[in-house]
Formats: sequence, C-alpha cells, structure tokens
Amino acid sequence: AQTVTQSQPEMSVQEAETVTLSCTYDTSENNYYLFWYKQPPSRQMILVIRQEAYKQQNATENRFSVNFQKAAKSFSLKISDSQLGDTAMYFCAFMRIYNQGGKLIFGQGTELSVKP
Amino acid sequence: DAGVIQSPRHEVTEMGQEVTLRCKPISGHDYLFWYRQTMMRGLELLIYFNNNVPIDDSGMPEDRFSAKMPNASFSTLKIQPSEPRDSAVYFCASSPLSYEQYFGPGTRLTVT
Repeated sequence: AQTVTQSQPEMSVQEAETVTLSCTYDTSENNYYLFWYKQPPSRQMILVIRQEAYKQQNATENRFSVNFQKAAKSFSLKISDSQLGDTAMYFCAFMRIYNQGGKLIFGQGTELSVKP
Repeated sequence: DAGVIQSPRHEVTEMGQEVTLRCKPISGHDYLFWYRQTMMRGLELLIYFNNNVPIDDSGMPEDRFSAKMPNASFSTLKIQPSEPRDSAVYFCASSPLSYEQYFGPGTRLTVT
C-alpha cells in the first residue's frame, strides 16, 4: 500500500521569504503522479502543482516549485516570495496511475503561517 | 465554469437520521470522487465513479454509507442511519482524463 508522510505539522515564514515543505512517500509503483494541494481557512482544496514521476524536470508554477527525488521518494514544495495569502494547510498527495483514473492518497498536512 | 457544486454546505442532524449529500461535477469530467476529512484520519477516499459506474468503493466505511451517480451531472452520498462519528467534512471532486482532480467546497456534517 502507498503511504504519504509529511513530517512538519506546522511551519511559519516571514512575508517575502522562502519556505520549503517536506513530503516523502512509499510505493513500489514506477508510474504515478504527485501533487501539492492548498487548503485555506475557507476549506476549499486548491491544486497547487503536479509532478509526473516519469519526468525528471521539476515542475514549476510561478512562485511554487518542487524538488522531486524519485530514488529517495521525496517530493518537497518550495514557496518563494511568500505572501499572506499563502497561509493555509498544504497537503502532499500520491496517485497511482490506473487504467481507470486514480485515487489520491494524502499526507497529514502541514499548516503554514505567513507572518507580516 | 461554476466548478464542482456541493449541497448543502453545512448539515446538522441528530443521530439516527438519514443524511444525503449532493454533488454536481464539472461538465465533461468523466470521474467523480467522494472524500471525507476528519482530524483523526485526515483526507480519505470513500468511493469513485467513472462514467457513472462505481470503480472503487473500498473506502466506504460500512453499510450505512451508500453512493449513487444516476447521471453524468449528479451524485449523492447517503448515510443511514447517521452516527456522531460520521461528523466530518465531505468533499466531492471531479476529474477529466488528465488526473487533475477539482474539489468542491465541501459539506460540513455534524451529527449530534
């Protein structure tokens, strides 16, 4: 069975600084996707970034980037130039690729606070 | 696009009552997922559908829970009878073939 571990329950960062959230996962699969989702106090789940396991290049979306280390089964999220609106719970998620879609397996989350 | 629509946003009910949660996926999405979020267990998948057919219901906790998708634009999750331990936020998500799941705003269920 696949598992996802986020070892940092809480983190804080000053506005405009850079922060990195950690995630490790365990799987015997070779083809899969990894995701970071953001859940602000409104509780809406928002997709931040996606990484395909077969791609060596790390995904980037504006201020958000990942460091994907497949051999180490590590998938960290870097947020640059942190903004107050980045305050939220962040969930790392794994998806095995099936023929008929896939289900997300989530980590326990990291609560990020951006301080002015 | 209105995104995934869930109703109600909040539901408070007494133990033993039937609860029905509703979801309208994004038009054109072939997959629909129901997740539950609790402090103890985090986010967990309950069931998902492909083209209205249930594919994996291994996460449904027990027979009190049932889900249906009568057509491509509507799904329900029913709990009968409800218990206090069912209190949680229930999310519906939909997805095209690209594996990116789009979540609804969630329904906060409180069973007293």
